[in-house]
Amino acid sequence: DSGVTQTPKHLITATGQRVTLRCSPRSGDLSVYWYQQSLDQGLQFLIQYYNGEERAKGNILERFSAQQFPDLHSELNLSSLELGDSALYFCASSVGGRENQPQHFGDGTRLSIL
Amino acid sequence: AQTVTQSQPEMSVQEAETVTLSCTYDTSESDYYLFWYKQPPSRQMILVIRQEAYKQQNATENRFSVNFQKAAKSFSLKISDSQLGDAAMYFCAYRSARGGSNYKLTFGKGTLLTVNP
Repeated sequence: DSGVTQTPKHLITATGQRVTLRCSPRSGDLSVYWYQQSLDQGLQFLIQYYNGEERAKGNILERFSAQQFPDLHSELNLSSLELGDSALYFCASSVGGRENQPQHFGDGTRLSIL
Repeated sequence: AQTVTQSQPEMSVQEAETVTLSCTYDTSESDYYLFWYKQPPSRQMILVIRQEAYKQQNATENRFSVNFQKAAKSFSLKISDSQLGDAAMYFCAYRSARGGSNYKLTFGKGTLLTVNP
């Protein structure tokens, strides 16, 4: 158990819909990272938050957004969903601000768009 | 931008034997970290081993060890005494250690390891 909790584990929805993925980092971790794993793109970094503020953006679509709340949990919002958004979405956390600390991954949310 | 290349899409090994997974990377930075993550069929991402670029000594974690060649930008993973539970997708990953960077992980495409009984 990595200590990172992601909900829900599975999500099935239709094109055009909007979903929210939730992540609770390990206790004491200030940084949260979101990654997308798909068959064609592999594992790609989407966005990072540190202590409530956006730290960096990667290959994140404009239809996607995220935030980190005062209690440090994070949510990834995906809107106007397309078939190509079907993927496994991982959240990872680290202490943050200390680059020698590894990232610990949650079990992921499997998103299926029908 | 940094890139990570895993040239072996699939590998297989007999139980109790040794296997080496290859990884090369491209970076202009001098300080960075390298990782191997394991993803079994359960889809969890499990950290196997990590290497700090400033350390010349190769990292070792029980049956897992790396061969880090900084000049060649090569970072291979050796699994000794392979076990059935080692069967998984293995990802090599790079992370900058540069001050002010976001410390994101850049992953390779992965190597699917099969362990034959």
